[in-house]
Amino acid sequence: GAVVSQHPSRVICKSGTSVKIECRSLDFQATTMFWYRQFPKQSLMLMATSNEGSKATYEQGVEKDKFLINHASLTLSTLTVTSAHPEDSSFYICSARTPPGNTEAFFGQGTRLTVV
Amino acid sequence: QKEVEQDPGPLSVPEGAIVSLNCTYSNSAFQYFMWYRQYSRKGPELLMYTYSSGNKEDGRFTAQVDKSSKYISLFIRDSQPSDSATYLCAMSQSGGSYIPTFGRGTSLIVHP
Repeated sequence: GAVVSQHPSRVICKSGTSVKIECRSLDFQATTMFWYRQFPKQSLMLMATSNEGSKATYEQGVEKDKFLINHASLTLSTLTVTSAHPEDSSFYICSARTPPGNTEAFFGQGTRLTVV
Repeated sequence: QKEVEQDPGPLSVPEGAIVSLNCTYSNSAFQYFMWYRQYSRKGPELLMYTYSSGNKEDGRFTAQVDKSSKYISLFIRDSQPSDSATYLCAMSQSGGSYIPTFGRGTSLIVHP
């Protein structure tokens, strides 16, 4: 299957700082990437859909200015958590869909963010 | 009512047992059905992918879709301790939107 690489896998940051998470599709071009947040023992909560070359589409209740998404190329999308606070601590996962016509989505390894 | 319902478990079985994992859904427009396996603190891994109704088999895994009942299943034969993980079902519509809707996942424990 397609490979999606997410980096870093774990990050600890101080409250008020910003953190960038990268998501790369290694062996295919991903026109669409998804960003999820997952709380312990809960399902994936879709935060936003990222399309290459255009603005991300955010789900209701997700702050656009806090969670900045950039999808500048067909193989890279980034999520920046700005002015992080302890309540932003969570597991963030990206997903990429293979070329148009496919509905399979492949996931990165996830990033455990801890804000202290 | 959530679009996708999945019992969170945990489901505990002995090694070698046949495991049955299930999801129900309410949106009749769903046509693509997926099962993901997620180990603790890792991203989900795609296990099975089916379109519309029917069965699909891959090794020890069998996925079934019954669209008339809005019910999907994943069967694991000869379960192993390494199968212990959370299993998430996901489904999406055809047409304009391919964004999958996920169940909350079922925690499976296979004990030796």
